[in-house]
Amino acid sequence: DIQMTQSPSFLSASVGERVTLSCRASQNINKYLDWYQQKLGEAPKLLIYNTNNLHTGIPSRFSGSGSGTDYTLTISSLQPEDVATYFCLQRNSWPYTFGAGTKLELK
Amino acid sequence: EVQLVESGEGLVQPGSSMKLSCVASGFTFSNYGMNWIRQAPKKGLEWIALIYYDSSSKYYADSVKGRFTISRDNSKNTLYLEMNSLRSEDTAMYYCAKLDNNYWYFDFWGPGTMVTVSS
Repeated sequence: DIQMTQSPSFLSASVGERVTLSCRASQNINKYLDWYQQKLGEAPKLLIYNTNNLHTGIPSRFSGSGSGTDYTLTISSLQPEDVATYFCLQRNSWPYTFGAGTKLELK
Repeated sequence: EVQLVESGEGLVQPGSSMKLSCVASGFTFSNYGMNWIRQAPKKGLEWIALIYYDSSSKYYADSVKGRFTISRDNSKNTLYLEMNSLRSEDTAMYYCAKLDNNYWYFDFWGPGTMVTVSS
């Protein structure tokens, strides 16, 4: 199975700050990388699919990039409603596997 | 509006069985693959099962293969997960998730239902 490693595990940032979250795969996943946002007590919500495609209704302050084994989620200007845990998911091969998550909080 | 609502929450003893349901609305259920994904308390997410739109294929994670069975009833817009020989490590929130037809990502999830396996 492909292992997904997210960093950092925890991040504290200020409103308006640019935030970058990372996800590394144990092998090339050919840009089949998605990002999910999970707020406390809620189901995960798809933000970005195939590395850099914004899902319907997701604000443009979210963006994704990467290739090969290394991928990034960027929030250009952090908002209070962005407090959540963010997971990456690889879809290059079954079983699909998730990263352990990055918990994002406000400073 | 796409809606997925899981049910079947409960506390069961190790070795017992349990069946979860997920009722779908807001889309043509019979046209889409469906999945079960779980999240153990304070842990990450784990995909556990996929069923094709017409039940022609089913896939499982190794952690549940041989113990869990995914099924669906397209006439009732309902997805199921039959869980046998439950273990303490199966304790988790269980989510059903719809599969996008073009890119095969999980585009909509239900709110989840909690399964606790404990004596």
